[in-house]
Amino acid sequence: DAKTTQPTSMDCAEGRAANLPCNHSTISGNEYVYWYRQIHSQGPQYIIHGLKNNETNEMASLIITEDRKSSTLILPHATLRDTAVYYCIVRVFPYSGAGSYQLTFGKGTKLSVIP
Amino acid sequence: GAVVSQHPSRVICKSGTSVKIECRSLDFQATTMFWYRQFPKQSLMLMATSNEGSKATYEQGVEKDKFLINHASLTLSTLTVTSAHPEDSSFYICSARDPSRTYNEQFFGPGTRLTVL
Repeated sequence: DAKTTQPTSMDCAEGRAANLPCNHSTISGNEYVYWYRQIHSQGPQYIIHGLKNNETNEMASLIITEDRKSSTLILPHATLRDTAVYYCIVRVFPYSGAGSYQLTFGKGTKLSVIP
Repeated sequence: GAVVSQHPSRVICKSGTSVKIECRSLDFQATTMFWYRQFPKQSLMLMATSNEGSKATYEQGVEKDKFLINHASLTLSTLTVTSAHPEDSSFYICSARDPSRTYNEQFFGPGTRLTVL
């Protein structure tokens, strides 16, 4: 799976949009971008995933650049409960036959939402 | 989303004892479960992958005789830390794969905090 690079930490004011970047310059054509987050002392929680189109769900939006070498997770109106470590993971589509179901976690970005 | 539970949520034991951690998928049948370990201020590290009815596959550097994994049913996997020592103190997290889902198929438990005195 492709390696990802994320900033170590970020701050965001409560109510503002949080934009979390992720660099994955070695991503392959059959690799998806996944985002998870981990609130302190809890298990990771799935947020969103995408291949090449921008995606939006009830939690967040995912913007993937046209060359797919980077992406940004957007939390439109951050709340204190969004304080967590956010992980950007790139992996092969599980059903491709060539990949596995494993998720490889990097160091992630520690997002602190400030009142 | 699907629910995965872990028991216990927290355990404190003496050095040399064995500790069993259970991971259950509550509303789906998990053909594959994963066990992770997370030390303070570090990321999750995959320890092993277990498929129901077969032997677990361990990651490099993880001692299979120390971390015994049993996945005897489609809803339960157990991790037993044998002869635990203080360096085994960590946050252990399991995840389970729901084969009925296409993309977001893996769900994580809440974790078990192990402290070995």
